Amino acid sequence: SQQGEEDPQALSIQEGENATMNCSYKTSINNLQWYRQNSGRGLVHLILIRSNEREKHSGRLRVTLDTSKKSSSLLITASRAADTASYFCATDVGSSYKLIFGSGTRLLVRP
Amino acid sequence: DAGVIQSPRHEVTEMGQEVTLRCKPISGHNSLFWYRQTMMRGLELLIYFNNNVPIDDSGMPEDRFSAKMPNASFSTLKIQPSEPRDSAVYFCASSHYADREETQYFGPGTRLLVL
Repeated sequence: SQQGEEDPQALSIQEGENATMNCSYKTSINNLQWYRQNSGRGLVHLILIRSNEREKHSGRLRVTLDTSKKSSSLLITASRAADTASYFCATDVGSSYKLIFGSGTRLLVRP
Repeated sequence: DAGVIQSPRHEVTEMGQEVTLRCKPISGHNSLFWYRQTMMRGLELLIYFNNNVPIDDSGMPEDRFSAKMPNASFSTLKIQPSEPRDSAVYFCASSHYADREETQYFGPGTRLLVL
């Protein structure tokens, strides 16, 4: 099974509302990253949080990490229609070069 | 920087034909990854290279799939013979692995349809 599992699988909100997506993982990590994928496009890196960090901000994005619960959340504040996309968490488990991606959350922001 | 370049962007072929997907990573990046994405299975890592050397190919579905990286600026993923179940979007990504913080940069993908 996958390392990261996002929750919810799909989310529909009104423009201006906040969107919260959660990610759970199974093994110890070096860092956790969030990516966005617009329909028909490749994934784009949004933000990285290290295992010794608890919260990180980037513009309208806020990421939290709870290593004791092996979970992370991505908050998008004041959402816009352009935020409509799939969002994936990815974990770096350290001993290899690879990231392990979760199953993604599909976000729809209604104008 | 042009980003990760993949070609072709779309490929339609018939079952049994050979398919070759190409990738040019970002200059200076030392890791390259091939992924496959489908609705049913999500995003799957097929193989990755570090400094042109294959590190882990455990995600390659079967012997019909092969990947090469002859130099730092070019990689291919070949499927021979192709089957309808290989239909998917194939992504190439590259990164510069340093300080254990690896951000991957994805190409636009190749949408493959095997009839």
